[in-house]
Amino acid sequence: GENVEQHPSTLSVQEGDSAVIKCTYSDSASNYFPWYKQELGKGPQLIIDIRSNVGEKKDQRIAVTLNKTAKHFSLHITETQPEDSAVYFCAASSSTSGTYKYIFGTGTRLKVLA
Amino acid sequence: KAGVTQTPRYLIKTRGQQVTLSCSPISGHRSVSWYQQTPGQGLQFLFEYFSETQRNKGNFPGRFSGRQFSNSRSEMNVSTLELGDSALYLCASSFSRTGGAYNEQFFGPGTRLTVL
Repeated sequence: GENVEQHPSTLSVQEGDSAVIKCTYSDSASNYFPWYKQELGKGPQLIIDIRSNVGEKKDQRIAVTLNKTAKHFSLHITETQPEDSAVYFCAASSSTSGTYKYIFGTGTRLKVLA
Repeated sequence: KAGVTQTPRYLIKTRGQQVTLSCSPISGHRSVSWYQQTPGQGLQFLFEYFSETQRNKGNFPGRFSGRQFSNSRSEMNVSTLELGDSALYLCASSFSRTGGAYNEQFFGPGTRLTVL
């Protein structure tokens, strides 16, 4: 079946460094790729998303890139701060006849060391 | 605009009991999806409701059921609880534009269910 692979599962970076999380999807019908940040005791929060007709999107310190040919998409966080520490999930979504399907990656635990 | 709310936030039940969880979506959103989150399995899709009808269903046993009311609020029920049902249950709300190609989902804080 369809799946989304996410790497790495854990990532530790020094404050101020960059962090990159990568995802690979299998369903070629996927056309929407959101990223979520989940802090301890909270639900996932949508932080950025990208649609299949766009190759890159940036919002302040975070950016997402999409390579449809390779079925890869990545999250880039620059100038990391301690408050960026959380679990990050990628997802790939497709739509069929007005219904939407989401497949989530297994998550990356990011630790930003002060 | 208020976010997605879920009640209760924490529940402790024993095996064999049943439980009902509630979700109120963002005002104006018509779709509610439910997910089970566990450390080993990640986020697993349970089902989605749109206009009081179940529109999508994941691969969970029939012990897991749900419904949606006319005000878009949704409830999820788990009967005959098993130890393996211990998890964080998340509700996600979306507007779900008719014929839209994309569908942003916004999650609630979740209900932490512990089955003893």
